Parts: sequence; C-alpha cells; structure tokens
Amino acid sequence: GAGVSQSPSNKVTEKGKDVELRCDPISGHTALYWYRQSLGQGLEFLIYFQGNSAPDKSGLPSDRFSAERTGGSVSTLTIQRTQQEDSAVYLCACSGLAYNEQFFGPGTRLTVL
Amino acid sequence: GQQLNQSPQSMFIQEGEDVSMNCTSSSIFNTWLWYKQDPGEGPVLLIALYKAGELTSNGRLTAQFGITRKDSFLNISASIPSDVGIYFCAGHNYGGSQGNLIFGKGTKLSVKP
Repeated sequence: GAGVSQSPSNKVTEKGKDVELRCDPISGHTALYWYRQSLGQGLEFLIYFQGNSAPDKSGLPSDRFSAERTGGSVSTLTIQRTQQEDSAVYLCACSGLAYNEQFFGPGTRLTVL
Repeated sequence: GQQLNQSPQSMFIQEGEDVSMNCTSSSIFNTWLWYKQDPGEGPVLLIALYKAGELTSNGRLTAQFGITRKDSFLNISASIPSDVGIYFCAGHNYGGSQGNLIFGKGTKLSVKP
C-alpha cells in the first residue's frame, strides 16, 4: 500500500488478557519501529527491526511485551497479561534508505479496563 | 537517559500570526526532525535536518539545526486554521541505536480564525 497501516484501530480489553497489534509497513522499507504514546506525552520507543538483524528491544518496558516481524514485512506487537497502565496509542513506523525519516501509521488505541 | 525539552507546551494564536517553537537536548544530536500529529492520526514528517546550522523551509514552515547540535527550532509563518495540531521534535544521537528516535512531548497549537 501507499502508507503504513495498523490494525485494529481501536482495541478494548480486560485486564489480564493478551492482545496482538498488527503493522503493515510501506513496501520495501526495511526498518520497522514500534512506539507507545500515552495521553499528552511524546512517543516512547519500544522496539526496532532492521532487515534480518536481531531486533533492538531496549525500549520494551517489561517481558510482557514482545514483537515479531515475519518475512521482513508485517510486524505484530504482543502484550501479555495486559495492565491498565498499558493503555495508550501504539504507533508503528518504517523507514527506507533515509533511516532517520520515519513514516508512521495511524496507530492502535489500546484501552485496558 | 537522554531527554528532549520542547517548548512551549501549548500555544493559542490568532490566524495570520507567526509561531515559533523549539527543542533542546541534554546531549548532541546528529539529526533533528519535526513532525505534526492530527487527532487520531500518526505523526507526519514535516522537515528533516542533518547538518549543524542547516536552515530548511517547507512552504510556510522553517526549521533550523542549532550550531551546538543540541537544539532546533520550528517557525510557522502566517498561520492558518489547518495548522492546528501537535508538533513534535525528534532527534537521533551519535552512538544511539540506529532506530532510536527520541521525541519531545509536543507543542499543541490552536489557531483562532
């Protein structure tokens, strides 16, 4: 597609449930990033994939968070045993050759009740 | 950890006025970027700066990469209602993870017609 797509756009879940968030990056963009944006805050880096290299997981807040990227394209962010403080907008971004120029998807708004 | 201070947090201006916002860093950055985020959307890249002292324009927007590499500003001239949104600065620093953009907390701009 022409841009980054994310699904679902909204997710409401109960505390303790697992959730999966999906990102479809721009075709051909080898780098993929996940960020978290809490209300009124900037973007918090979570994880970064570049080609076939091991992902940079330095931003993941706990071991309940994990992400995969299959075939160098689609990525899934999984949050296990969700907590209320996980409520936020989760944004996916990708970049091509100009790796500092990241292009964002619309985000998934996660609400944990 | 590294922090970006973005100011002001919010601005209420009259249509036609000029706007200025800035970001400062606790350490050196080698790239500065400015994004705009509309409600329910992901951030959209406005301007990317790669060289200390660089001054770049994009229509009514002008941004500069500070000589010290620790600051950047964004100016919007002759504001219009569609300029409303949240503006984020972001930086990438020497020695950081290739993917780890650091974001400011944003400047919320309101324009009164």
